[in-house]
Amino acid sequence: QQPVQSPQAVILREGEDAVINCSSSKALYSVHWYRQKHGEAPVFLMILLKGGEQKGHEKISASFNEKKQQSSLYLTASQLSYSGTYFCGTERGQTGANNLFFGTGTRLTVIP
Amino acid sequence: NAGVMQNPRHLVRRRGQEARLRCSPMKGHSHVYWYRQLPEEGLKFMVYLQKENIIDESGMPKERFSAEFPKEGPSILRIQQVVRGDSAAYFCASSLLAGMNEQFFGPGTRLTVL
Repeated sequence: QQPVQSPQAVILREGEDAVINCSSSKALYSVHWYRQKHGEAPVFLMILLKGGEQKGHEKISASFNEKKQQSSLYLTASQLSYSGTYFCGTERGQTGANNLFFGTGTRLTVIP
Repeated sequence: NAGVMQNPRHLVRRRGQEARLRCSPMKGHSHVYWYRQLPEEGLKFMVYLQKENIIDESGMPKERFSAEFPKEGPSILRIQQVVRGDSAAYFCASSLLAGMNEQFFGPGTRLTVL
């Protein structure tokens, strides 16, 4: 039930763009994106609900394709502060099943 | 407005001892989730609790692990007779509502079993 993320790791120079993908073999109810820096707690970025919505926050946005059971996180004009490991978390959507299944993570490193 | 609080932040135990991890959710949140993270790996769901009830414990090992979320006080994750393989970071998260709701994570408890 664990979603698959790609790529596993990416190195960017400041100002470059990146796309992180998250796909599931199970039907997706919602997708949550988090960023975790080494030794710290995951920090919530955004949640996308079924219906093919897109969301954006400054230079970070995401899309959710319910039919394809996948979501993508877009980081534009990356900054040094974007470095960290990005996780997608998916909900099964069944009653009482509100826990998240997290992907394996994508390690993003932004260099000057 | 305090966030999710966990204590202790670091816990060292010898094999065979008990570990008790505490989690105080954000004010007003009644949904608590525990996740385990091994070094260099992702977060693995363990248990989901609502006040006084275990809603989903499908991710909990069948033995030695238990969790509770009493009417008063923090949620407790208890590991009895710890083994080296239990060494990990244990994160607690809370949400205001169930489902399609942001989960706020605590700073985690890093358990080291000697």
